[in-house]
Amino acid sequence: NAGVTQTPKFRILKIGQSMTLQCAQDMNHNYMYWYRQDPGMGLKLIYYSVGAGITDKGEVPNGYNVSRSTTEDFPLRLELAAPSQTSVYFCASSPLGGKGQPQHFGDGTRLSIL
Amino acid sequence: GIQVEQSPPDLILQEGANSTLRCNFSDSVNNLQWFHQNPWGQLINLFYIPSGTKQNGRLSATTVATERYSLLYISSSQTTDSGVYFCAVGVTSYDKVIFGPGTSLSVIP
Repeated sequence: NAGVTQTPKFRILKIGQSMTLQCAQDMNHNYMYWYRQDPGMGLKLIYYSVGAGITDKGEVPNGYNVSRSTTEDFPLRLELAAPSQTSVYFCASSPLGGKGQPQHFGDGTRLSIL
Repeated sequence: GIQVEQSPPDLILQEGANSTLRCNFSDSVNNLQWFHQNPWGQLINLFYIPSGTKQNGRLSATTVATERYSLLYISSSQTTDSGVYFCAVGVTSYDKVIFGPGTSLSVIP
């Protein structure tokens, strides 16, 4: 199994550009999450989803959008890239979310906004 | 929202030494996980431990949910144990999983 796959691994954007970070999982997990990790810091929850068609905001949702049209995919959209969004983005999935199962993480997408 | 604290923020150990990392949380949680982020940035799930004690080789973890803390024990540390250790909690009645700020561990030969 591939587990959680994130693409791209690295990206450089100019201020004001938009892009979509892709996340796919092949474990049939209902719950999926997007986190950002700034240098030397912990992970902050951006958005999460409890199933196809259902998403909710986390701790730091401003400047991002998500959609969940299928169980497998959970893309994260940056509409107007800003330098403050320079970070490493992690996607994760879990069978039962916060109710009692471990999370599986992708390897991250390193994003720089210049 | 729930607050998650970890201590110490930084730790330097001589190879072979033992250590205890602590995670405190401010509210009831459904689950608690410990992760290791290696120097390449990968997040590796060490334990899923909402309560009780678990052991995996040189690592063990204990969660006392009623007192809102968890401990991660590392025995006979090795240089490969270096990295950042995070605890993450699943919040009661919600599906969010929130991370603590981490403990940065450096094991020197």
